[in-house]
Amino acid sequence: SQTIHQWPATLVQPVGSPLSLECTVEGTSNPNLYWYRQAAGRGLQLLFYSVGIGQISSEVPQNLSASRPQDRQFILSSKKLLLSDSGFYLCAWRGDRVGVSGYTFGSGTRLTVV
Amino acid sequence: AQSVTQLDSHVSVSEGTPVLLRCNYSSSYSPSLFWYVQHPNKGLQLLLKYTSAATLVKGINGFEAEFKKSETSFHLTKPSAHMSDAAEYFCVVRSLAGGTSYGKLTFGQGTILTVHP
Repeated sequence: SQTIHQWPATLVQPVGSPLSLECTVEGTSNPNLYWYRQAAGRGLQLLFYSVGIGQISSEVPQNLSASRPQDRQFILSSKKLLLSDSGFYLCAWRGDRVGVSGYTFGSGTRLTVV
Repeated sequence: AQSVTQLDSHVSVSEGTPVLLRCNYSSSYSPSLFWYVQHPNKGLQLLLKYTSAATLVKGINGFEAEFKKSETSFHLTKPSAHMSDAAEYFCVVRSLAGGTSYGKLTFGQGTILTVHP
């Protein structure tokens, strides 16, 4: 069965420090992978999505970047965190490129920038 | 462009009474629609999905939603609330437009459901 792992679950980082959140998927190959953020009091916002190794599309200009070094690994990074980067980050995957299946989400990372 | 509006940020009900969480959407194409639930400190879980088949969709835990194209609505209902239903609920639209927009999800702002004993 397909599973998605995301870590860490919680993170407190000072302003200006770097960030690396990792997401891995098991039990599937060539998945579409996504990073979403949920800021306090707001809905989920799509940050990045990737349809394959090294292929990253950014949805909004921001202080973050993403990379996909392996087929089932998706990393969210920042060189210098801002206070506004605080939020709940979710990794998600969609296995098939056609059809209308729902998404599978990781358990999320709650990031607090202080 | 597509958008989702959840009309209530908070809904409070008593245990055993009906639940109604409202969602309106706009989309240039016939979309796929989903309801997700997020319990505290847990990941999102799919409740149900509409994919252009039956307009009344039944999901898990007794929830159901009706797709009304004329009203551009996809409201989530449950006949009798349970304490375990307390969570945050998201209405989601998935684009079926061609090109780079295909498959993109747009989330509503979320509705926090509180269930009183």
